[in-house]
Amino acid sequence: GQSLEQPSEVTAVEGAIVQINCTYQTSGFYGLSWYQQHDGGAPTFLSYNALDGLEETGRFSSFLSRSDSYGYLLLQELQMKDSASYFCAVRPQGNLIFGKGTKLSVKP
Amino acid sequence: DGGITQSPKYLFRKEGQNVTLSCEQNLNHDAMYWYRQDPGQGLRLIYYSQIVNDFQKGDIAEGYSVSREKKESFPLTVTSAQKNPTAFYLCASSLTDELFYGYTFGSGTRLTVV
Repeated sequence: GQSLEQPSEVTAVEGAIVQINCTYQTSGFYGLSWYQQHDGGAPTFLSYNALDGLEETGRFSSFLSRSDSYGYLLLQELQMKDSASYFCAVRPQGNLIFGKGTKLSVKP
Repeated sequence: DGGITQSPKYLFRKEGQNVTLSCEQNLNHDAMYWYRQDPGQGLRLIYYSQIVNDFQKGDIAEGYSVSREKKESFPLTVTSAQKNPTAFYLCASSLTDELFYGYTFGSGTRLTVV
């Protein structure tokens, strides 16, 4: 079968750094993605790692280790607007399979 | 501006009715997808299409049907056979194969059975 595991909730304070981990088990693998979803809204694309290593986009970074079937999303200089759900997703073939999401709450 | 449009935003269905959710994109993406999201849950794949006139079932296709007659359009019909259709439905599109980098999502349709 195919599965993804990520924490259900994370809480952090404004200005801090938070890391959201994702472990996966799939029959094939073409990459790991991260999406952000605010309450009531649609998911928006954050990052895509097809190869091992760290990808940086502004305050957000994403890491992948294919040998460990593991990745993480790192959010720096947290802002209140970062409060949202974050989903990791793997691409075993043509489509994405999503984790159940991590709800991030940023406190003042 | 390029994007992906879902309509309607809210939809109410009576028991026993079929309803169709619209999804249109002008991004020139080959692949389109339908996902269902229940409260506090992740996204589950209903159907996807990599090319016009071809589509594949996802994990929860029972009670749903799709068509892909045009590259830009991928409508989803929720049939009366779907016993628990109340959910948030998301359409997405993407490039394929080595050009893939991620999905673009529509704004979603909230379907409620009344």
